[in-house]
Amino acid sequence: DAEITQSPRHKITETGRQVTLACHQTWNHNNMFWYRQDLGHGLRLIHYSYGVHDTNKGEVSDGYSVSRSNTEDLPLTLESAASSQTSVYFCASSEHLYNEQFFGPGTRLTVL
Amino acid sequence: KQEVTQIPAALSVPEGENLVLNCSFTDSAIYNLQWFRQDPGKGLTSLLLIQSSQREQTSGRLNASLDKSSGRSTLYIAASQPGDSATYLCAVNRGGSNYKLTFGKGTLLTVNP
Repeated sequence: DAEITQSPRHKITETGRQVTLACHQTWNHNNMFWYRQDLGHGLRLIHYSYGVHDTNKGEVSDGYSVSRSNTEDLPLTLESAASSQTSVYFCASSEHLYNEQFFGPGTRLTVL
Repeated sequence: KQEVTQIPAALSVPEGENLVLNCSFTDSAIYNLQWFRQDPGKGLTSLLLIQSSQREQTSGRLNASLDKSSGRSTLYIAASQPGDSATYLCAVNRGGSNYKLTFGKGTLLTVNP
């Protein structure tokens, strides 16, 4: 069965370190998204991609970057982790931009 | 700026009860609206997607309605079961060239046996 996976599921890091969160989908979807979920804020869009070599900023993109070198993967990089980036991160994909989105299980990131 | 509100924030009901979850949004110019379920420590599971031209969508015991002009959607759950206990989120899709999916903060549903 097609699926979307994220790794690691849990990560603890220190302020200032570079961190990369992986997202892999086997749906062969063109569109992929990264969100963060925080108490009091709900889910907010970080970055998204319409296809290979395409990336776009969401509403909370500062301090994050993504690259899309193939259809299946959209890694999220925190260039210099900050405590404000402690959150749960979700990756999602969709076949068409306005179709339903399918979510991964999430990565809980703690920045100390 | 689109704002999505879900009321109540939490709801507790006895098993077997029919219930309604509410979602309201401030900008009626939406492309579609999606309802999700989130179990503790898990990702989101898509329940229903309702297009702006539709009035309702049904899947099993779930029925979602949309009144775009008034900025409201409801999720009706029939004959609730303990396994329905989860957080339910709605999200509206603005459409257009600048993609934007805006989520509500969710309603935590507890169905008591």
